[in-house]
Amino acid sequence: EAQVTQNPRYLITVTGKKLTVTCSQNMNHEYMSWYRQDPGLGLRQIYYSMNVEVTDKGDVPEGYKVSRKEKRNFPLILESPSPNQTSLYFCASSLAGEGRDLFFGPGTRLTVL
Amino acid sequence: GQQVMQIPQYQHVQEGEDFTTYCNSSTTLSNIQWYKQRPGGHPVFLIQLVKSGEVKKQKRLTFQFGEAKKNSSLHITATQTTDVGTYFCAGPGRGGADGLTFGKGTHLIIQP
Repeated sequence: EAQVTQNPRYLITVTGKKLTVTCSQNMNHEYMSWYRQDPGLGLRQIYYSMNVEVTDKGDVPEGYKVSRKEKRNFPLILESPSPNQTSLYFCASSLAGEGRDLFFGPGTRLTVL
Repeated sequence: GQQVMQIPQYQHVQEGEDFTTYCNSSTTLSNIQWYKQRPGGHPVFLIQLVKSGEVKKQKRLTFQFGEAKKNSSLHITATQTTDVGTYFCAGPGRGGADGLTFGKGTHLIIQP
């Protein structure tokens, strides 16, 4: 089954404790992206990747890191989480090229205390 | 980066009434996509519009792309409880040819 998977689905952590949210897709998509969703603010792009070893900042990259060592994986790293990073995070992927529709993962709900 | 504005933020309707959400951009969009997110779920692609003045239908859903390619709308006829959720429009964004910038979404609430 074609899908985007994220782990963990739920996470409660404390300020400053490094964490990684994994994202994997099995559709051989070149493009992958991370979004955060907050009430009243919609979906905001954090980072995206056009292909392996190619990543770039989205609209809200501060406090986040990403890597793209393999085509299928695009982990999101929070080196020192803070409470303002409490949010619902979505990973998404698509084929390369303009106008390609995004496939979203199920989401990761993160709470930073 | 390019921004798309979406209104209204919330829409309450009685079941069976129609619903419309609007998306506007200050710049010409090469294409626009629409997504639906059910409560507790993730966004799911509905459709893409590319041509000026394009109209596409999916059962009770009608999607339009403006002649100037700066606005779009989604209209649902005779809403049903299964239509509940948040509807997002998305246009090309910061990622160049491969990125999307989303509107803030319209939450559709249906009262039986």
